[in-house]
Amino acid sequence: EVQLVESGGGLVQPGGSLRLSCAASGFTFSSYGMSWVRQAPGKGLEWVSTISGSGGTTNYADSVKGRFTISRDNSKNTLYLQMNSLKAEDTAVYFCAKGPCGGDCYTFDYWGQGTLVTVSS
Amino acid sequence: DIQMTQSPSTLSASVGDRVTITCRASQSINSWLAWYQQKPGKAPKLLIYKASSLQSGVPSRFSGSGSGTEFTLTISSLQPDDFATYYCQQYNTRTFGQGTKVEIK
Repeated sequence: EVQLVESGGGLVQPGGSLRLSCAASGFTFSSYGMSWVRQAPGKGLEWVSTISGSGGTTNYADSVKGRFTISRDNSKNTLYLQMNSLKAEDTAVYFCAKGPCGGDCYTFDYWGQGTLVTVSS
Repeated sequence: DIQMTQSPSTLSASVGDRVTITCRASQSINSWLAWYQQKPGKAPKLLIYKASSLQSGVPSRFSGSGSGTEFTLTISSLQPDDFATYYCQQYNTRTFGQGTKVEIK
């Protein structure tokens, strides 16, 4: 059974940093692209970033480009999102999601339960 | 950027109703569209990919159709478990529609 468990969310001040983690199990982690998708309180879904199975290809939404970095450790079956220069508009539940392919996947077939990031002074 | 517009924003329906949700793209996306279901406080669930392919494990009452700029998600006979918010998503820039909430009439 595919399981994705996010951690690392919390309250951070504007301009601060936070690193999210997503522990994966139930599938061959290195064979699949992984993504982060966020949802602001009461709002819709927004794709944030995707990384290929090998880690060699990454893509970012314009809203986070230059501030967020996606990475993965295939030896630990873990996905990361380093978030720097955080803004109030980054406040959201961040979901880790598995792609159905090994490369730069465009859809998300399994999702974690999410971790809440609140950016506020 | 490609914009995705769903209609309606909210839909009131009864158990057993046939329900149709529309998603329009601002330019052609061929068949590169997915549909997700999300219940309050839960993660989204993939229902349909490539416009009309049913994800494994999803009940057959869900179906998707369309190509180019206009797409539909149809629930043939609404069940109590189907009251949720539905999102379309185009592949290119992974943009989601704003969502359609299906509520009890």
